[in-house]
Amino acid sequence: QKEVEQNSGPLSVPEGAIASLNCTYSDRGSQSFFWYRQYSGKSPELIMFIYSNGDKEDGRFTAQLNKASQYVSLLIRDSQPSDSATYLCAVHAFSGGYNKLIFGAGTRLAVHP
Amino acid sequence: DVKVTQSSRYLVKRTGEKVFLECVQDMDHENMFWYRQDPGLGLRLIYFSYDVKMKEKGDIPEGYSVSREKKERFSLILESASTNQTSMYLCASEEGNQPQHFGDGTRLSIL
Repeated sequence: QKEVEQNSGPLSVPEGAIASLNCTYSDRGSQSFFWYRQYSGKSPELIMFIYSNGDKEDGRFTAQLNKASQYVSLLIRDSQPSDSATYLCAVHAFSGGYNKLIFGAGTRLAVHP
Repeated sequence: DVKVTQSSRYLVKRTGEKVFLECVQDMDHENMFWYRQDPGLGLRLIYFSYDVKMKEKGDIPEGYSVSREKKERFSLILESASTNQTSMYLCASEEGNQPQHFGDGTRLSIL
């Protein structure tokens, strides 16, 4: 089992809709969770982080964390074509003797007009 | 804002050359990382460092080495470049359980 799993997509949504991106992780002791956006040919850019169970909202973005289910999600409201990118879920987990940030493979989001 | 600066955006080298990729961060972060990213393979950790003079192998260290002589600088070295090391290389820094911040990346081509 991979430590951080995401559906690779592409997830295709119409402009103005809600995009829902999901991520599961295997380390029950994980305490911090991050969402990065990566445009093609660019480096990952942090868009949300969450440390506590529940929802955290920032503008059009909402991160949701459920530690009991080992599940973290990102909702993008009023999706825009400029949101089309790959979204990486990342989780701090104990791996190989160190606490490291483990990345999922990413979900490609396509927002069509 | 955290600033992570990678020395080159694009680099072209020849097989067998020794290649240096430099990374500098300005936020006094303890932890620094080197990744490579290839289509369909995601981010793969090459080496990381949690302190000056300290280095640890990541998931794919073969063919690479690193140097961390100063806290703000973490260098990745390709001892003898090969074509299969053509990739996007990303440097990142972090403090504790805070987010990692990435540089702009170096797109390296080995001919």
